[in-house]
Amino acid sequence: QKEVEQNSGPLSVPEGAIASLNCTYSDRVSQSFFWYRQYSGKSPELIMSIYSNGDKEDGRFTAQLNKASQYVSLLIRDSQPSDSATYLCAVTLDIYNFNKFYFGSGTKLNVKP
Amino acid sequence: DVKVTQSSRYLVKRTGEKVFLECVQDMDHENMFWYRQDPGLGLRLIYFSYDVKMKEKGDIPEGYSVSREKKERFSLILESASTNQTSMYLCASKGQGFPEQYFGPGTRLTVT
Repeated sequence: QKEVEQNSGPLSVPEGAIASLNCTYSDRVSQSFFWYRQYSGKSPELIMSIYSNGDKEDGRFTAQLNKASQYVSLLIRDSQPSDSATYLCAVTLDIYNFNKFYFGSGTKLNVKP
Repeated sequence: DVKVTQSSRYLVKRTGEKVFLECVQDMDHENMFWYRQDPGLGLRLIYFSYDVKMKEKGDIPEGYSVSREKKERFSLILESASTNQTSMYLCASKGQGFPEQYFGPGTRLTVT
């Protein structure tokens, strides 16, 4: 059973601060990693993907991957109240031939004005 | 924009009923998925399909079946609904070779 673990939170940060969300996974052969954002009552939307060790930046978001330690993290700089949502981590073994994605249960983020 | 639609946002059914949930995507995606989402458990894959009439079991297929007769449509069937199938059901689609899944709005099913 492949597992993706996330702290359920809630993680509370003040507006303008950096929010740090973490995810660990159990399967060493996992290849592709994703962060989804899910607003309350809405469906998940992809915000970041990362495939190799290191950092990947997109605007205020930075994804960090460490395959040796089997963790992936998401940093949100200059957090805004509109970032308040549940963030889901997902992993898959391969994006081309194997379509099974494994999701964590999500971390709820609250950004306080 | 990719659009994934689901037949109902809210559904209430009785124990033992046969339930059909339908999903339609308009992007000619090869891959389609059915998940259920429960508090504390995250999204769990029920079934996925990589082509018309092709399907693969996910992690929790028991009590469910699926049908994909046309590329754009993927149906989830609860043969005999039970109360433990009360959940949020999410459909997603994905193009072959692309990582992003596009999710539908979800169907909140209550079985009484």
